[in-house]
Amino acid sequence: KQEVTQIPAALSVPEGENLVLNCSFTDSAIYNLQWFRQDPGKGLTSLLLIQSSQREQTSGRLNASLDKSSGRSTLYIAASQPGDSATYLCAVGDSNYQLIWGAGTKLIIKP
Amino acid sequence: KAGVTQTPRYLIKTRGQQVTLSCSPISGHRSVSWYQQTPGQGLQFLFEYFSETQRNKGNFPGRFSGRQFSNSRSEMNVSTLELGDSALYLCASSSQGVSGDTQYFGPGTRLTVL
Repeated sequence: KQEVTQIPAALSVPEGENLVLNCSFTDSAIYNLQWFRQDPGKGLTSLLLIQSSQREQTSGRLNASLDKSSGRSTLYIAASQPGDSATYLCAVGDSNYQLIWGAGTKLIIKP
Repeated sequence: KAGVTQTPRYLIKTRGQQVTLSCSPISGHRSVSWYQQTPGQGLQFLFEYFSETQRNKGNFPGRFSGRQFSNSRSEMNVSTLELGDSALYLCASSSQGVSGDTQYFGPGTRLTVL
């Protein structure tokens, strides 16, 4: 059974710092991995999608990597800003048409 | 292009009642998935529909059901509500489904069961 873990559960950093969020999964037989952000009381916004055949994806200040063999993905945020404060979730897409979710990392960027 | 819409946004029901939630996907998307989000359990998969066919169902009791119409709009129904059903219910749409492409989420319906 696939399990997805995100560490740390919470992270607080000063504005301007670069940071890395971690996501690990137990079964490497995945179709893809997605990173989302969720603002309080709101839905989910897709940030990056990495297909199983890819190693990384980039969008603006965000870079996500995928290492299937080790069951790990990282989300790198460059030059963090207060507007980046949110909960970041990773989810693994499997062959049963479902996303399996981590519990999220709550990120606070201090001005 | 309009995003995923969910109605209603908020619902308050009492135990034993029934509720129907609606999700309108992005135009052209044929896959709709439903998820339940609670503080204790996080996000959990309910079911996925593609072109009116349920392709998978999560580990939820039979009180949770859904359907998809020919225009790809989807509804989920929860019968005999329990206090533990209080949650944010999210739907997501995509062209091909989870295995293929990005999932776009609606704002959710917050259900409170009293």
